[in-house]
Amino acid sequence: GDSVTQMEGPVTLSEEAFLTINCTYTATGYPSLFWYVQYPGEGLQLLLKATKADDKGSNKGFEATYRKETTSFHLEKGSVQVSDSAVYFCALSERTGGFKTIFGAGTRLFVKA
Amino acid sequence: EAQVTQNPRYLITVTGKKLTVTCSQNMNHEYMSWYRQDPGLGLRQIYYSMNVEVTDKGDVPEGYKVSRKEKRNFPLILESPSPNQTSLYFCASSSGRSGSRTGELFFGEGSRLTVL
Repeated sequence: GDSVTQMEGPVTLSEEAFLTINCTYTATGYPSLFWYVQYPGEGLQLLLKATKADDKGSNKGFEATYRKETTSFHLEKGSVQVSDSAVYFCALSERTGGFKTIFGAGTRLFVKA
Repeated sequence: EAQVTQNPRYLITVTGKKLTVTCSQNMNHEYMSWYRQDPGLGLRQIYYSMNVEVTDKGDVPEGYKVSRKEKRNFPLILESPSPNQTSLYFCASSSGRSGSRTGELFFGEGSRLTVL
């Protein structure tokens, strides 16, 4: 079945450092790919998405590119801030078969001032 | 404001005492779903509903029930809670219109349940 694998955390960075969180997926079809972010005490919210190969999703300085050849959707940010401290979830959603969304285990990011 | 509302946000209960977690969305979404979040396991789907009176099991449905009598509401029922159902629960919704749906989910703020 479909699955999402993302790098284990926690990831600890200093402010203004470069961030990469790796995400790879397996899917039988042609899924949409997402990154969701969960700030402390809150629900998940969509950070960015991509719906087809080579699409780049971007938001709040974060970017991720849908790479079909490597089945990857790595999250990057050039300069993190303390306010980026959160848990990040990679996810996929198949367009057929029940609208199921599969989540990775989540990666906790700590950014130090 | 578009939102998904869950209640209660926090609940401590005892084994066997029936409880219901309510979920309501104001976006006229067809699709609604319940997830539980446990450390190291990410989010796992409990049940989902593609429209009124249409529900189906997710990956971890044991010990839970749902109903979808109205489009906006999707309550999660624990008939006889057990300690292994201690978790953080999220309700989510999405537009299910064919052709326009990309799968983006809108989440509630979560309900933290402790079963003693």
